[in-house]
Formats: sequence, structure tokens, C-alpha cells
Amino acid sequence: AQSVTQLGSHVSVSEGALVLLRCNYSSSVPPYLFWYVQYPNQGLQLLLKYTTGATLVKGINGFEAEFKKSETSFHLTKPSAHMSDAAEYFCAVSEAGGYNKLIFGAGTRLAVHP
Amino acid sequence: DVKVTQSSRYLVKRTGEKVFLECVQDMDHENMFWYRQDPGLGLRLIYFSYDVKMKEKGDIPEGYSVSREKKERFSLILESASTNQTSMYLCASRPILGANYGYTFGSGTRLTVV
Repeated sequence: AQSVTQLGSHVSVSEGALVLLRCNYSSSVPPYLFWYVQYPNQGLQLLLKYTTGATLVKGINGFEAEFKKSETSFHLTKPSAHMSDAAEYFCAVSEAGGYNKLIFGAGTRLAVHP
Repeated sequence: DVKVTQSSRYLVKRTGEKVFLECVQDMDHENMFWYRQDPGLGLRLIYFSYDVKMKEKGDIPEGYSVSREKKERFSLILESASTNQTSMYLCASRPILGANYGYTFGSGTRLTVV
């Protein structure tokens, strides 16, 4: 069965610093992978996704993620953090077979300080 | 702009009340989902519906039921609300062949049971 592990429930960075949020997955088949962002008291918004093709995926708000099959990872990065990036971030993998439901990680809360 | 609309952003109900949470999508999606989100527990799937009048239990269906009489509407029902059902509830939808689409989420309903 697929699973998703997000390393670090809380990450804190300075404004302008690199953002790195870690996601590892387990899947017996080539996965579809997603990153979502949730701002306070809002729903989840799709940041980016990997389905097939190029392993470096660019998303909204300057974020990108790289699919590394050998490491079973899909880490999210942004070169320079903004205060507005403070939010909770969820990694997800699409279940293989069945109804292809998304399996979510536990989330990482990103704090950005001046 | 495509949307998933949850009827209430904030709701306060009394213990023992029957509570209806409504979700409407305008994207003609077949699949719809109800999650609850609690601090430290991430997103947990309550129920999902893969088409009209079809439903499947998720990971935590106890104390909940659902209704999907029309394609665009998916209702979550708390038969007899309890304080441990105080939570953020998120609705999502996706096309039926959308394993690579990801979900579109509503803004959430924060339910407090007193």
C-alpha cells in the first residue's frame, strides 16, 4: 500500500532563505505525486503535481519539486521565502488501483520570520 | 473559475443535534470526498462518493453518513453530534478518470459541537 512521510511537522525559515520541505513516498507503481498548500482557515490549494515526463516540476508562487525515483522522494523547494509563504503544506500520492484516492502526508507547517 | 463550495465556514451545534454539512461543485466531477482535519492528525477520509447515489466508507466513517442524490452535491451528516466531532471538515472533488488531476477542495467548514 502507498504511504507518504513528511519529515518535520514544523519548519521555520528566515525571509529570503531557501525553503525545503521533505516528502518521501512508498509506491509499488510509478506514482502521481502532489503538493498542496493550506493557508489559515482555508481549504487546500494545489501547488504542483508530478504525473509523467519531466522530473522537475514547477508550480505556483515560485515553488518547485523534483521527483527522484531512486530516493522515493518529492521534496518541495523555493529559493527565497516570503512572509506570505507561511502556511501548512501537504504532500500526497495517488493510490494505485481502486479509486485512485489521494493519500496525504501529515503536513508540514512552514513559519517565515523576518 | 471552477469551484467547490461548502455552505458554511463556521458552525456551532449542540451535542445530540443532527448536523448537515453541504458541499456543491460546479465542475461536473463524478468523485467527491469528505475529510476531517485535526491538529497533528492530518487529513482523514470520512466518506467518498464515486458517482451519484454511490458511496464508500473511508477511514473514519463512524458517527457519520452521507448523501449524494445529485451529481453536484455531496452532503455529510452527523447523526447525533458529539464534542469529539469538533473539527475542520473539508470537501473535495475530482473527475472520475482523474488519478493525475488531484482534488479541488472547498474552503472548509469549522464545526464546533458544544
